[in-house]
Amino acid sequence: ETGVTQSPTHLIKTRGQQVTLRCSSQSGHNTVSWYQQALGQGPQFIFQYYREEENGRGNFPPRFSGLQFPNYSSELNVNALELDDSALYLCASSLDLVYGYTFGSGTRLTVV
Amino acid sequence: ILNVEQSPQSLHVQEGDSTNFTCSFPSSNFYALHWYRWETAKSPEALFVMTLNGDEKKKGRISATLNTKEGYSYLYIKGSQPEDSATYLCAFRGNEKLTFGTGTRLTIIP
Repeated sequence: ETGVTQSPTHLIKTRGQQVTLRCSSQSGHNTVSWYQQALGQGPQFIFQYYREEENGRGNFPPRFSGLQFPNYSSELNVNALELDDSALYLCASSLDLVYGYTFGSGTRLTVV
Repeated sequence: ILNVEQSPQSLHVQEGDSTNFTCSFPSSNFYALHWYRWETAKSPEALFVMTLNGDEKKKGRISATLNTKEGYSYLYIKGSQPEDSATYLCAFRGNEKLTFGTGTRLTIIP
């Protein structure tokens, strides 16, 4: 098992720019979810992909979009960055939610 | 909007003492309740996934109970050790997504 890896670990972007965050799922996991954790809050669900199809979305605007690839790795794209998008972004993969998620260590995004 | 609440927000416990904290969640449309431990600078680590009312799970000195009818779960740590210092997150699953609480930050005082 290689676990879940996220890249980059840290990123600084300017308001209005676009950003792409990447996640490699744990081997064999076909479900990937993305979460945003702002300071002082629990992780907030952004969306989930199962076998390359989005099958759940939280209360995030359309400028948050994603992809899951045939190898089950995933991307989170955020357009028109706002200062409030500054947060830790976590990726988590699962084969079956009965077993819980395996999380990556996150990407810390700072928007200035 | 689902409300998952954890209490207390933070806790300081003397090494060797036992402790517990609470997660409350909606009692309807319940599918599962997850507990995660999140140490600083690491990834959240799954502790338990609980699905049945009355479930009790144990992993070493850590155990958890579940009451789906009244919508709460307790996490217990027996004989706290410094390595137990972490944020403990619970997450409610009612459909395909998890709704997390804000966590209980536990600090063990040597």
